[in-house]
Amino acid sequence: RKEVEQDPGPFNVPEGATVAFNCTYSNSASQSFFWYRQDCRKEPKLLMSVYSSGNEDGRFTAQLNRASQYISLLIRDSKLSDSATYLCVVSSGGSNYKLTFGKGTLLTVNP
Amino acid sequence: SAVISQKPSRDICQRGTSLTIQCQVDSQVTMMFWYRQQPGQSLTLIATANQGSEATYESGFVIDKFPISRPNLTFSTLTVSNMSPEDSSIYLCSVTSTDNYGYTFGSGTRLTVV
Repeated sequence: RKEVEQDPGPFNVPEGATVAFNCTYSNSASQSFFWYRQDCRKEPKLLMSVYSSGNEDGRFTAQLNRASQYISLLIRDSKLSDSATYLCVVSSGGSNYKLTFGKGTLLTVNP
Repeated sequence: SAVISQKPSRDICQRGTSLTIQCQVDSQVTMMFWYRQQPGQSLTLIATANQGSEATYESGFVIDKFPISRPNLTFSTLTVSNMSPEDSSIYLCSVTSTDNYGYTFGSGTRLTVV
């Protein structure tokens, strides 16, 4: 089993749609969780951290279920500018702060 | 969050040669990380660069192939040695954010080995 697995995608949705990404992780000792966004030929950029209680930032909602080792990202009212690859990222924490990346899910929002 | 200057942004190199990639951070950071992103793949950690000690390499990566320097808390280099076409990839450096939560990446070096 891969350390971090994501929906394979790609996702093609119309503007205004709601889209959800799912991610599972294998290391139950993982401590920190993130969603990153990577535009074509660009470096990854932090979209949001994921907290146990769930958190929302505008149109984006992230949730974490530690028991199921599952993370999700919901995008509401999607915009053309949301088109990118979304990376689920898990940190082992501790002094090393090693990040493990999922393969990413490509989202294309169409006009 | 920290600002990272990474260079070169891209290069085309002959097989058998070496390329050194530099990352300069605008603030002092304890750990710097070097990642590789092969075409169509996600990021894979190569090594963690610690100031004043040898880098810690992940499984599948060795110092002879990817020597790393970390002379101070704001700078690091990664060398890709004796390159082959399989080394064609994007190489990225990363640091933890100032609040140690989340990570910032350099803009990446797109390497093509011919």
